[in-house]
Amino acid sequence: QQPVQSPQAVILREGEDAVINCSSSKALYSVHWYRQKHGEAPVFLMILLKGGEQKGHEKISASFNEKKQQSSLYLTASQLSYSGTYFCGTAVRGSEKLVFGKGTKLTVNP
Amino acid sequence: EAGVAQSPRYKIIEKRQSVAFWCNPISGHATLYWYQQILGQGPKLLIQFQNNGVVDDSQLPKDRFSAERLKGVDSTLKIQPAKLEDSAVYLCASSHHAEDGQAFFGQGTRLTVV
Repeated sequence: QQPVQSPQAVILREGEDAVINCSSSKALYSVHWYRQKHGEAPVFLMILLKGGEQKGHEKISASFNEKKQQSSLYLTASQLSYSGTYFCGTAVRGSEKLVFGKGTKLTVNP
Repeated sequence: EAGVAQSPRYKIIEKRQSVAFWCNPISGHATLYWYQQILGQGPKLLIQFQNNGVVDDSQLPKDRFSAERLKGVDSTLKIQPAKLEDSAVYLCASSHHAEDGQAFFGQGTRLTVV
């Protein structure tokens, strides 16, 4: 039931864009995105509840394709502060469990 | 709004010893999670409470791990006896609603078993 994230790691230069994908083998009720910096707790970015829903948070946005059972996180014009590991957490229909993927490590260099 | 409180922040024990972690969730949050995060990996759900009832503990090694949430508020997670592979950060999180609520994480307890 663990969602699969891709890619595992991304290296960007400041100002470049990135896309992180999260997919599930089961029908999803919700997708949660978090960012974790080294040695710190995960920090909430956004939650998507409806198929086709898109949300934005400054230059970070996400979409949720319910039919494809996947979500994508878009980071545009990346900043140094975007560096960290991004996790998607998914809740499956009929279950209340929030399960996280293995994460995508994003490094933004000057 | 006060965040999720966890203690201790760090703990070093020898294998076969016992250890306990404490979590105080955000006031009013019905759902409480304990996650184990091994270095370089995503948080692994150990147990999830809804008020003081267990929603899921399918990945909790019940021969050595136990958890309780008394009165639907604070929670403790215990390991007895500890093994080397239990070295990890133990994260507590809470939310209003499990499926569609933002989960707030505590700072975690970094456990080292030697």
